[in-house]
Amino acid sequence: QKEVEQNSGPLSVPEGAIASLNCTYSDRVSQSFFWYRQYSGKSPELIMSIYSNGDKEDGRFTAQLNKASQYVSLLIRDSQPSDSATYLCAVNTGGYNKLIFGAGTRLAVHP
Amino acid sequence: DTGVSQDPRHKITKRGQNVTFRCDPISEHNRLYWYRQTLGQGPEFLTYFQNEAQLEKSRLLSDRFSAERPKGSFSTLEIQRTEQGDSAMYLCASSPRTGSGANVLTFGAGSRLTVL
Repeated sequence: QKEVEQNSGPLSVPEGAIASLNCTYSDRVSQSFFWYRQYSGKSPELIMSIYSNGDKEDGRFTAQLNKASQYVSLLIRDSQPSDSATYLCAVNTGGYNKLIFGAGTRLAVHP
Repeated sequence: DTGVSQDPRHKITKRGQNVTFRCDPISEHNRLYWYRQTLGQGPEFLTYFQNEAQLEKSRLLSDRFSAERPKGSFSTLEIQRTEQGDSAMYLCASSPRTGSGANVLTFGAGSRLTVL
């Protein structure tokens, strides 16, 4: 079993819709969770971080964490074509912020 | 500060040659990480430095790979006797040890290696 699992997609949504991206992790002691966005040929950039159960909102993005179910999600409201990218879920498994990444979910927002 | 800088951005080499990549982290960051990313996969952890000390190496880092951070500033990743399976994007990231950004990794643009 992979440590961080994501559906590879592609997830295709129409412009203006809500995109829902999901991630599960295997290490129960994980404490910090991150969503990175990666455009084709570019490096990952941080979108959201979440550390406690519940929802965290930042603009059009909402991260959700459920530690009991070992589940993290990212909602993107009012999706735009510029949101088309691969979204990487990452989990901190060490005290020095070593991140374990999932394989990423490719999102395509079509006009 | 221009962020995390990596050089070269692209490297094409023949199998069996040695290659070296350089990473200059954000100046106030004392933590530095190397990751490798292949097509369709997420970044895989290779190694971590706190200042000049290499504190963890992944089992992915075979004895052909060596990383250094001699003065706790820039870092180099050398691959000896390259193999076609080494073709990947090599990503460097840095973070501060303390403070509000301590949990955030900032990535460089990456060094893409193609082994022919």
